[in-house]
Amino acid sequence: KAGVTQTPRYLIKTRGQQVTLSCSPISGHRSVSWYQQTPGQGLQFLFEYFSETQRNKGNFPGRFSGRQFSNSRSEMNVSTLELGDSALYLCASSVDFQGFYGYTFGSGTRLTVV
Amino acid sequence: GQQLNQSPQSMFIQEGEDVSMNCTSSSIFNTWLWYKQDPGEGPVLLIALYKAGELTSNGRLTAQFGITRKDSFLNISASIPSDVGIYFCAGRYNNNDMRFGAGTRLTVKP
Repeated sequence: KAGVTQTPRYLIKTRGQQVTLSCSPISGHRSVSWYQQTPGQGLQFLFEYFSETQRNKGNFPGRFSGRQFSNSRSEMNVSTLELGDSALYLCASSVDFQGFYGYTFGSGTRLTVV
Repeated sequence: GQQLNQSPQSMFIQEGEDVSMNCTSSSIFNTWLWYKQDPGEGPVLLIALYKAGELTSNGRLTAQFGITRKDSFLNISASIPSDVGIYFCAGRYNNNDMRFGAGTRLTVKP
């Protein structure tokens, strides 16, 4: 059974650009959550999608957005990149919305903004 | 919002020793989870707890859901070098998002 797949693994972007990250959940998982991980702030919740609907949203500016497709794959987009957006972006999937059985994380996308 | 305080921040132990780390919250959770993260990878679920007072083991790992629903601990017995990594607690209340502690960095000296 394939795990959670995130692409790309590494990305270097310039300030002001925009970026799209992709996440394919485990087959059968309908919930996808996104987290930003930095050494200073730890794991910060971005948003959670279930059945193509955003169910929860963290305290991030509107430059951070996401969506989920009918096959449960999810993308997140960051517009007008800032240096502080450099981080490991992690996607996690679970069978159900409340993640009752826990979340399975992907290996992440390492974004560097220069 | 619900904040998780995880301690200790880091631990340096000898191979074979037991390890204990814990998480406390200012508000209640109805799910506690413990994850381990290796460098360059995403966190991996170790143990999930769903009931206050629940004590669950996974090999050398044991975790408990505190009776007040505001805390949880993780014990690792007879540590080995591959236990090295960062351990995170995470908690969730109802439909809210899952919150993570800041992590405990474990170093095991052979």
